[in-house]
Amino acid sequence: GAVVSQHPSWVICKSGTSVKIECRSLDFQATTMFWYRQFPKQSLMLMATSNEGSKATYEQGVEKDKFLINHASLTLSTLTVTSAHPEDSSFYICSARPFADTQYFGPGTRLTVL
Amino acid sequence: GEDVEQSLFLSVREGDSSVINCTYTDSSSTYLYWYKQEPGAGLQLLTYIFSNMDMKQDQRLTVLLNKKDKHLSLRIADTQTGDSAIYFCAVDTGGFKTIFGAGTRLFVKA
Repeated sequence: GAVVSQHPSWVICKSGTSVKIECRSLDFQATTMFWYRQFPKQSLMLMATSNEGSKATYEQGVEKDKFLINHASLTLSTLTVTSAHPEDSSFYICSARPFADTQYFGPGTRLTVL
Repeated sequence: GEDVEQSLFLSVREGDSSVINCTYTDSSSTYLYWYKQEPGAGLQLLTYIFSNMDMKQDQRLTVLLNKKDKHLSLRIADTQTGDSAIYFCAVDTGGFKTIFGAGTRLFVKA
């Protein structure tokens, strides 16, 4: 149990376009989902925390208009990178957390912006 | 703010034990975790320990927690080449936020 999926697993896009990444908890309901960014050979950086049905809480330095997060249901959260640029290229990982339990990570989405 | 530190590299021979160390600053942490990340993949939860425990063993994995020194360690017995990966220490800070260390890259020599 406790499986989290992400789609797509990798995406290449042109500069200026928007990209949507989905995160789903497959066999549990997640009251809270997290979005992380990981640069090569670095640790995870928390971007935002989202609770179902409410606005996401962004970490300091993360542009909320750039990284749009929607957590429309207890099993789905989406991250949209708007007007992507090469510096947005990264590995994006989501995690989902059932109430009062540890968080479970998705397999990650590798975004390359040309 | 909260901080989690761990050494960046560890190299061991196949069959030896590996010990990865981690220190943290938040004394109110309730859950402390060890995650494994293989190249190009997401994070795999290896094990976790509650702050009221000193030790947890799960097959080849042993986690030791010294709450007084805010020190967490992961011991992998009989290390195999398949254990080569990056190991992240992580602690909950309360409010369901988790802070990650920079990761320790484990190299296992055959």
